[in-house]
Amino acid sequence: KAGVTQTPRYLIKTRGQQVTLSCSPISGHRSVSWYQQTPGQGLQFLFEYFSETQRNKGNFPGRFSGRQFSNSRSEMNVSTLELGDSALYLCASSLDRASTDTQYFGPGTRLTVL
Amino acid sequence: KNQVEQSPQSLIILEGKNCTLQCNYTVSPFSNLRWYKQDTGRGPVSLTIMTFSENTKSNGRYTATLDADTKQSSLHITASQLSDSASYICVVSANDMRFGAGTRLTVKP
Repeated sequence: KAGVTQTPRYLIKTRGQQVTLSCSPISGHRSVSWYQQTPGQGLQFLFEYFSETQRNKGNFPGRFSGRQFSNSRSEMNVSTLELGDSALYLCASSLDRASTDTQYFGPGTRLTVL
Repeated sequence: KNQVEQSPQSLIILEGKNCTLQCNYTVSPFSNLRWYKQDTGRGPVSLTIMTFSENTKSNGRYTATLDADTKQSSLHITASQLSDSASYICVVSANDMRFGAGTRLTVKP
């Protein structure tokens, strides 16, 4: 069974631009969660989508948004990019809700904001 | 203050030796506590997941313990291998996921 895939793997943007990241979960998984990882803050939870509905949201500004499609694939969007948004963005999928089930992480998208 | 504190921040051990990583948390109540291994440049991989009623769980050479009374968990690695070099992250799940900063383990030959 294929693992979680994320595209693109690397991205360079400039301040003020917007970006969309994509995540394809393991087949059959209904939950997709997004995380931001930086050297200073570590891993931080962004949001979780389950059956196309946002079920949980971390403490991030409204510039960070996401959605999930009927095939469970998910996208994350960041608008008006800031230098501090440079990070590794990780996506994880699970069969059931992330808080109760084993999560499987993708390799991440490395975003650099110049 | 982070609700999940891990110690030590980093650790260097010789191949074949055992080691124990610590995780103290203040998140309460919580549904489960997890340990992840993250190799450099890769996404985390789940090692163990324990509910609050479980005391110990093993996954090969990795054994996690949980003391819900003292709000402490540990991850014990037995007979370390070079491939164990990675960051180990403790995660406490309540309504959301609270992550520790991780312990960076280096295993030297």
